[in-house]
Amino acid sequence: GAGVSQSPSNKVTEKGKDVELRCDPISGHTALYWYRQSLGQGLEFLIYFQGNSAPDKSGLPSDRFSAERTGGSVSTLTIQRTQQEDSAVYLCASSLASLAGGSEQYFGPGTRLTVT
Amino acid sequence: QKEVEQDPGPLSVPEGAIVSLNCTYSNSAFQYFMWYRQYSRKGPELLMYTYSSGNKEDGRFTAQVDKSSKYISLFIRDSQPSDSATYLCAAKAAGNKLTFGGGTRVLVKP
Repeated sequence: GAGVSQSPSNKVTEKGKDVELRCDPISGHTALYWYRQSLGQGLEFLIYFQGNSAPDKSGLPSDRFSAERTGGSVSTLTIQRTQQEDSAVYLCASSLASLAGGSEQYFGPGTRLTVT
Repeated sequence: QKEVEQDPGPLSVPEGAIVSLNCTYSNSAFQYFMWYRQYSRKGPELLMYTYSSGNKEDGRFTAQVDKSSKYISLFIRDSQPSDSATYLCAAKAAGNKLTFGGGTRVLVKP
């Protein structure tokens, strides 16, 4: 079946501009995650959505980062006033719901963001 | 110190050899352990998923978890050039946030 999809695959933006990154999770997956992968920092957790619960935003690096998930499906990660250090690959993952947290996470191909 | 440590490599092996990868972790609350494979400019692909200590085998892949020493391993038998990729270990506690190692780059030479 269809996996996690993300758009755009690549995004080049000027410093100071806002960007929006989109994630479509696997159908039926109620949990959605955003991670960031950059050289020297590896893969870092950003934010997690589970159903109608309040999202876990503990990984967001600053208040310039925000995310929303509409209708329990598609999610958008927004970065305001982008900085060069925001350049990274932004990865989205989804999983089935699991109260015990034991569900497997499946990743999309990522959005490569370059801030010039 | 990172919660999950992984040697960055690169690890170069001849085709057909066994690839041995490992990670150490520091958080005793970690209960779930995963190995992902990532090709260049692609998203991570889930290879193995284990709960608590023990071994798990899937085809040419074997994952081992030793919670007493906080050590996780992945073995790839009969390695192929197509196994050349970066391998990421990950762990999580009862919550849903994955904590990743930095990844080990593997090169299987024909």
